[in-house]
Amino acid sequence: SQTIHQWPATLVQPVGSPLSLECTVEGTSNPNLYWYRQAAGRGLQLLFYSVGIGQISSEVPQNLSASRPQDRQFILSSKKLLLSDSGFYLCAWSVSGGAETQYFGPGTRLLVL
Amino acid sequence: GNSVTQMEGPVTLSEEAFLTINCTYTATGYPSLFWYVQYPGEGLQLLLKATKADDKGSNKGFEATYRKETTSFHLEKGSVQVSDSAVYFCALSDPYSGGSNYKLTFGKGTLLTVNP
Repeated sequence: SQTIHQWPATLVQPVGSPLSLECTVEGTSNPNLYWYRQAAGRGLQLLFYSVGIGQISSEVPQNLSASRPQDRQFILSSKKLLLSDSGFYLCAWSVSGGAETQYFGPGTRLLVL
Repeated sequence: GNSVTQMEGPVTLSEEAFLTINCTYTATGYPSLFWYVQYPGEGLQLLLKATKADDKGSNKGFEATYRKETTSFHLEKGSVQVSDSAVYFCALSDPYSGGSNYKLTFGKGTLLTVNP
């Protein structure tokens, strides 16, 4: 069966520091991968999605970037964190080529102070 | 563009009460519709889905019917439990990359609290 992992689970970082969040999927090949942010009291905002290695699409302009160095690895990064980057970051995957259902990881809670 | 509107919460019910969470959508084409649930401190779990008009999705006592004529996908449960306390998200599928892949458009979520 397929599983999706995210780490770290919780992170407290100072403003201006770098960020790296990692997401990996097991049990499937060539998945579509997604990064979402959930701010307190708000819904989910799609940040990035990827249909293959090295292929990244950005949904909103922001302080963050994403990379997909391997088929089942998706990384969210920032060079300098802002206070507004605080939130709950969720990674998700779906079967490529027409499947609509997405499966979510446990999330990373980021607090920028 | 496509959008999803959910009833604003929070919703507070007593155990064994009837639950309805309204969801309406705006979309071009014929999207699939989803309900996801997020328990405190966790990621989202797929609760149920429907892929075409008049389909009924059901799981764990929850159900929702895809109503194309009213563009709605309301979530219902006949008798809620304390363990159902969570945030519920309605979502629709949105094609991208030439229509061969999809992203999800979510509503803002509805917090449900069930008291014993």
